[in-house]
Amino acid sequence: QQQVKQSPQSLIVQKGGISIINCAYENTAFDYFPWYQQFPGKGPALLIAIRPDVSEKKEGRFTISFNKSAKQFSLHIMDSQPGDSATYFCAASTMSGGSNYKLTFGKGTLLTVNP
Amino acid sequence: DAGVTQSPTHLIKTRGQQVTLRCSPKSGHDTVSWYQQALGQGPQFIFQYYEEEERQRGNFPDRFSGHQFPNYSSELNVNALLLGDSALYLCASSAAGTIAKNIQYFGAGTRLSVL
Repeated sequence: QQQVKQSPQSLIVQKGGISIINCAYENTAFDYFPWYQQFPGKGPALLIAIRPDVSEKKEGRFTISFNKSAKQFSLHIMDSQPGDSATYFCAASTMSGGSNYKLTFGKGTLLTVNP
Repeated sequence: DAGVTQSPTHLIKTRGQQVTLRCSPKSGHDTVSWYQQALGQGPQFIFQYYEEEERQRGNFPDRFSGHQFPNYSSELNVNALLLGDSALYLCASSAAGTIAKNIQYFGAGTRLSVL
């Protein structure tokens, strides 16, 4: 059972454009939603994260939008740059039910930003 | 401040063999989680160690086992290797007794190839 569904699978954006990646979750106990960025040959690096008590969080060019009622959240990358080209993973976790904040990941989005 | 370090970087084994992967958590962290990332997929949770005990386990067979040492470092052991065990194995660390207990930082991973 895939608890976090991520789309699109791949995305091509022009330099300066906006990249948007969407995720939907099923488990209403999730209470922490991070986004990770992964470059080839590297481990995932935490990019930005949000809790369900806020609807939006912005850090520089990266913004998370969160819709609790729809059980959806998205990552917006403003002014996308070629250096942003990487695979992006959404994830979710909870402390409840003994989960101890294990991360459940989406399948990833390969972002390519053309110069 | 050293981040999460994993060794070895790459490993080639044959079917039926056993392998041990190692992880040193980020300074100040006491919890280690292991994930398996197949090619083109998101990381899948294997298990988590805290206070030298396995605290939670994902949907992986008993061939996968682990250990945590008093200095919080950890090992992942896989017995009777199958071709399907070929993947990037990621270690993530976090600090259980802090407000940031849900934030996990990843190492660069160990690429395991089973021939």
